[in-house]
Amino acid sequence: TQLLEQSPQFLSIQEGENLTVYCNSSSVFSSLQWYRQEPGEGPVLLVTVVTGGEVKKLKRLTFQFGDARKDSSLHITAAQPGDTGLYLCAGAGTASKLTFGTGTRLQVTL
Amino acid sequence: DVKVTQSSRYLVKRTGEKVFLECVQDMDHENMFWYRQDPGLGLRLIYFSYDVKMKEKGDIPEGYSVSREKKERFSLILESASTNQTSMYLCASRVRTGEGGFYGYTFGSGTRLTVV
Repeated sequence: TQLLEQSPQFLSIQEGENLTVYCNSSSVFSSLQWYRQEPGEGPVLLVTVVTGGEVKKLKRLTFQFGDARKDSSLHITAAQPGDTGLYLCAGAGTASKLTFGTGTRLQVTL
Repeated sequence: DVKVTQSSRYLVKRTGEKVFLECVQDMDHENMFWYRQDPGLGLRLIYFSYDVKMKEKGDIPEGYSVSREKKERFSLILESASTNQTSMYLCASRVRTGEGGFYGYTFGSGTRLTVV
């Protein structure tokens, strides 16, 4: 079974701060996705990265896929309370199945 | 807006009961999935289905079964509910992968099941 470890598990920061979430594995993935989940809801897809070394930006969020396609990072610039939620990375391996990371719970306070 | 709808947001069942969790998608997706989500363990795949009447075991299928009689509906069945099956259950669907592509999952809002 492929495993994805996320760090940190919990992060509490103030509005305006920057942060980085990491997603690491010993396995190679064909692509990697990031989701955000708000309380009482299912995860919502933010981005898919496919190529080793790829960087994608979504407003204040920057996603990077490692050169070896084993790891990824999510960087948030000037965090806002609306960024609060559970961030999940998910790696695509065989067929249509995703392996999800353990999650990073982010709390952004005023 | 595309939707994955799970029939119940909250359920409380007794140990030993047979429990049905229903999931319906309106996107004509071939692939559907059932996950459970527990603190510190992330999302773990229970069962998935590539198409009607097809099913595959995921990582933790023990104590569960599934049914996919119609394309839009994927049901998760707990044959005899136990307290260790208390969890958040998430259903997801996605279109079959095209050549060179990988499409994201669309999730339902989840069913929080408590077995007492």
